[in-house]
Amino acid sequence: NAGVMQNPRHLVRRRGQEARLRCSPMKGHSHVYWYRQLPEEGLKFMVYLQKENIIDESGMPKERFSAEFPKEGPSILRIQQVVRGDSAAYFCASSPIDSLNQPQHFGDGTRLSIL
Amino acid sequence: KQEVTQIPAALSVPEGENLVLNCSFTDSAIYNLQWFRQDPGKGLTSLLLIQSSQREQTSGRLNASLDKSSGRSTLYIAASQPGDSATYLCAVDRGNQFYFGTGTSLTVIP
Repeated sequence: NAGVMQNPRHLVRRRGQEARLRCSPMKGHSHVYWYRQLPEEGLKFMVYLQKENIIDESGMPKERFSAEFPKEGPSILRIQQVVRGDSAAYFCASSPIDSLNQPQHFGDGTRLSIL
Repeated sequence: KQEVTQIPAALSVPEGENLVLNCSFTDSAIYNLQWFRQDPGKGLTSLLLIQSSQREQTSGRLNASLDKSSGRSTLYIAASQPGDSATYLCAVDRGNQFYFGTGTSLTVIP
């Protein structure tokens, strides 16, 4: 009965490279949320997706960041041309339906370090 | 814009004490409020979910209250244990998007 699985746990990239973060929601969950936790800051919402649809991306930076949740496979958060300021912990959460009255279940996060 | 504040930012108590963590939010139009625990290097573990129509929820030694009109929630931990040491986060849900506080870092001293 696996929970939300994120990989890799740690990712190191050089400036200008691409980072791809994966999230497999809990079994039976079709809603995925991505959050970013910058050093010394709280978690900030980035994007909310359902299968093959982006529902709310109001927290996503306008450039270099994209997210998808295909019909098959995990959700992917993609950061192109990474910069030092992208260093953070990225968390994924899932819920069976929308979050109304349903707790979100979080993965252990991917810690991204930019050299 | 919803803002969530947690005080204190850090708290250190001797084992066995009862303690209260505070969370306040600026917009009372919420669907629910959730308390989480985060251990160093780990993700978030959901502790309690209070729906907007509820006043409190209890789970073991934890009790969370919600006063929507005043924009406040408290997390009460009874008979604290060293294993309770962690960062506690509250988050309000305004519909498919959580707003998190910056957390209270709790240390329970044996």
